[in-house]
Amino acid sequence: GQQLNQSPQSMFIQEGEDVSMNCTSSSIFNTWLWYKQEPGEGPVLLIALYKAGELTSNGRLTAQFGITRKDSFLNISASIPSDVGIYFCAGPMNTGFQKLVFGTGTRLLVSP
Amino acid sequence: EAEVAQSPRYKITEKSQAVAFWCDPISGHATLYWYRQILGQGPELLVQFQDESVVDDSQLPKDRFSAERLKGVDSTLKIQPAELGDSAMYLCASSLQQGGEQYFGPGTRLTVT
Repeated sequence: GQQLNQSPQSMFIQEGEDVSMNCTSSSIFNTWLWYKQEPGEGPVLLIALYKAGELTSNGRLTAQFGITRKDSFLNISASIPSDVGIYFCAGPMNTGFQKLVFGTGTRLLVSP
Repeated sequence: EAEVAQSPRYKITEKSQAVAFWCDPISGHATLYWYRQILGQGPELLVQFQDESVVDDSQLPKDRFSAERLKGVDSTLKIQPAELGDSAMYLCASSLQQGGEQYFGPGTRLTVT
């Protein structure tokens, strides 16, 4: 099925570094959602974006809704070991029952 | 803080056996979703309910999978008979309305031997 492309696929960084990841699509989305998933757990909603150009923060996390509505970005500042996990972007399709499409994921590893 | 509840958290079953998963969504959430997630991939929708009605089950393998939400609140997903390829994480999510923010439960990790 349709997927959103995320990059990078994985990142291994030192504690304290800033992190940037992005999510792109060939289709326009009206909503972008960012989730974090830790091993053996369900995804946890971090940030929701509803308007092109919107910039929203949640603590050390900042996400942006791309102007073209075909991309979104997530930044994590001053990373800490508990930031480890897989970060997924997601967006509801504009047709039918607005099925949520997920990105391919960015795996983040943080070294203390 | 309201959460989506799922049980069991882990299930090991032999192939050809029946298995069932339960989900209790956040109170007041009309839309309930069941997803399957293969290790290393994003979740993929199996079935979506609006209240007690199925609105999308196009990706549900109906020869062996069934889902119900009889009173429009909690839901059960069943697999009968289970196959080796069904080993995965089964996630339940809920939202206030279709297209809204989805909140996930902790999932059920199924291993079929």
